[in-house]
Amino acid sequence: KQEVTQIPAALSVPEGENLVLNCSFTDSAIYNLQWFRQDPGKGLTSLLLIQSSQREQTSGRLNASLDKSSGRSTLYIAASQPGDSATYLCAGASGTYKYIFGTGTRLKVLA
Amino acid sequence: NAGVTQTPKFQVLKTGQSMTLQCAQDMNHEYMSWYRQDPGMGLRLIHYSVGAGITDQGEVPNGYNVSRSTTEDFPLRLLSAAPSQTSVYFCASSSGLGYTFGSGTRLTVV
Repeated sequence: KQEVTQIPAALSVPEGENLVLNCSFTDSAIYNLQWFRQDPGKGLTSLLLIQSSQREQTSGRLNASLDKSSGRSTLYIAASQPGDSATYLCAGASGTYKYIFGTGTRLKVLA
Repeated sequence: NAGVTQTPKFQVLKTGQSMTLQCAQDMNHEYMSWYRQDPGMGLRLIHYSVGAGITDQGEVPNGYNVSRSTTEDFPLRLLSAAPSQTSVYFCASSSGLGYTFGSGTRLTVV
């Protein structure tokens, strides 16, 4: 059974720091991997999608990579801002439609 | 383009009542899923569908039914609500290239 672990569970950093969030899967046969952001009491906003033929994706200050051999993904946030404070979730699919989610990393960026 | 629309946004039920959570998408996506989100447990898959007329169970299907009569709609039915079904429910759809989520339904069963 696929399980997803996100480390750390919580993180508090001063504004301007670069940071890395980690996600690992027990089954490394990941087809698609997606990172989401969730603000308190809100839905999930897609940040980055790494498709089966890709190894990384970038959007602005965000970069996500996937190492399929180890079943690990990282989300890199450059020059963090207080507006980045949220919970970050990774989800992976062994098939194209069944996503399994990690429990998230709760990020707080201090001004 | 509305994306994924869930109704209602909030609902309080009494134990034993039944209800249907509605989900509709306007992106012509084949895949649709229902998740529940509970503190400390992340999002867990309840049921999913790979197309109209095709549904299957996820991790936590007990107490829930689904049907997919059209591509657009994927309602989730609670047969006899229990306090353990108090949760936030999310519907999501995908073309196979990543999921788009609705804004959620916060359900409380008393």
